[in-house]
Amino acid sequence: DQQVKQNSPSLSVQEGRISILNCDYTNSMFDYFLWYKKYPAEGPTFLISISSIKDKNEDGRFTVFLNKSAKHLSLHIVPSQPGDSAVYFCAKYNQGGKLIFGQGTELSVKP
Amino acid sequence: DAGVTQSPTHLIKTRGQQVTLRCSPKSGHDTVSWYQQALGQGPQFIFQYYEEEERQRGNFPDRFSGHQFPNYSSELNVNALLLGDSALYLCASSLWDRDNPEAFFGQGTRLTVV
Repeated sequence: DQQVKQNSPSLSVQEGRISILNCDYTNSMFDYFLWYKKYPAEGPTFLISISSIKDKNEDGRFTVFLNKSAKHLSLHIVPSQPGDSAVYFCAKYNQGGKLIFGQGTELSVKP
Repeated sequence: DAGVTQSPTHLIKTRGQQVTLRCSPKSGHDTVSWYQQALGQGPQFIFQYYEEEERQRGNFPDRFSGHQFPNYSSELNVNALLLGDSALYLCASSLWDRDNPEAFFGQGTRLTVV
């Protein structure tokens, strides 16, 4: 039962342009969604979260949008930088305290 | 302020053997969760420990067991290793605070079963 899906395994973007990473979910019961970034040989690093009661959350170059009717969320990175190249995971956080991750999207930002 | 530390970073074991992985949570955190990340997949929740008790468990067999110590550090034990247990094992620490969802991850232990 894949509750969180990231359907794009990879994304390539030019430096300075917008990166849009997408995530779909199938179960409506959640408190938060979180986005993590992962470099090779490192653990995931928290980027930004959004509560189930919000539609948008912004932190610097990163903005997450939540569309509850479509059960879809997206992470926007503007402007994209080469250092943003990494694997991005969206994760659903339930009251039970565990994170349910998507499969990840590998972002490549070209100079 | 040390973040989440895991040991060892890499490990090679033979099928049928047992392995113990260790995790020290971020200072001030009281909850430890373990995740398994297979190649090309997202991390999968194994279990969570708080107050030295297993609080939640994912869909993993009983060969996977854990422990949390009074200083909040934790161990993950896997018995009767299978080739399919080869993965990156991640430890995450957090606060037992349901309004604070953020978990901090260690760098992981890469386990290879041959």
